[in-house]
Amino acid sequence: EIVLTQSPGTLSLSPGERATLSCRASQSVSSNYVAWYQQKPGQAPGLLVYGAFIRATGVPDRFSGSGSGTDFTLTIDRLEPEDFAVYYCQQYGSPLTFGGGTKVEIK
Amino acid sequence: QLQLRESGPGLVKVSETLSLTCIVSGGSISSDNFFWGWIRQAPGKGLEYIASIYYRGTTHYNPSLKSRVTISADKSKNQFSLRLKSVTAADTAVFYCARIYGRWEPYYFDSWGQGTLVTVPS
Repeated sequence: EIVLTQSPGTLSLSPGERATLSCRASQSVSSNYVAWYQQKPGQAPGLLVYGAFIRATGVPDRFSGSGSGTDFTLTIDRLEPEDFAVYYCQQYGSPLTFGGGTKVEIK
Repeated sequence: QLQLRESGPGLVKVSETLSLTCIVSGGSISSDNFFWGWIRQAPGKGLEYIASIYYRGTTHYNPSLKSRVTISADKSKNQFSLRLKSVTAADTAVFYCARIYGRWEPYYFDSWGQGTLVTVPS
């Protein structure tokens, strides 16, 4: 099983700043099979990125994914008020696993 | 527009079996390229994949839960179900059903239900 470690646990930033979220895998993720999700309080997660860098339909272009092998990054340029949430990475080897999450909070 | 809705009891006693159903509308669970699955989230914690099923019958399970979990699908009713047996207080969580892109294997979760809280009192 691939273990995903997300860092930092909490990111305190101001609107307009850039957020850089890290997701590190315990072994190489084949074919860059990594997805990212956003979860707001009381809501289900929503898909942001899959295939490490492909934005899901309707996701603003200020969200971008990158990385390969064991190190993956989600970058949010120019944070908007609605972007303050918890973000999870997920790899889709077998079995599927999620990272522990990064909370992006308002500074 | 695809919608998924979890249905089932909000309270289950210790040692009993948790049973949930996901009712799918606006799309067919018999679609190619999609699995249908369950994820849970304990209060204040992260996401945990439970299991998934393809309409042709292929199933995948989280190894840590496999011995207690059964996932099934009813194509005629366009719904799929989860059974988790021998529950303990540690199984208290919000349970989400979701559509999962993938044909031979489940990949990523592209549509989610709103979630339902299941409590197992200790």
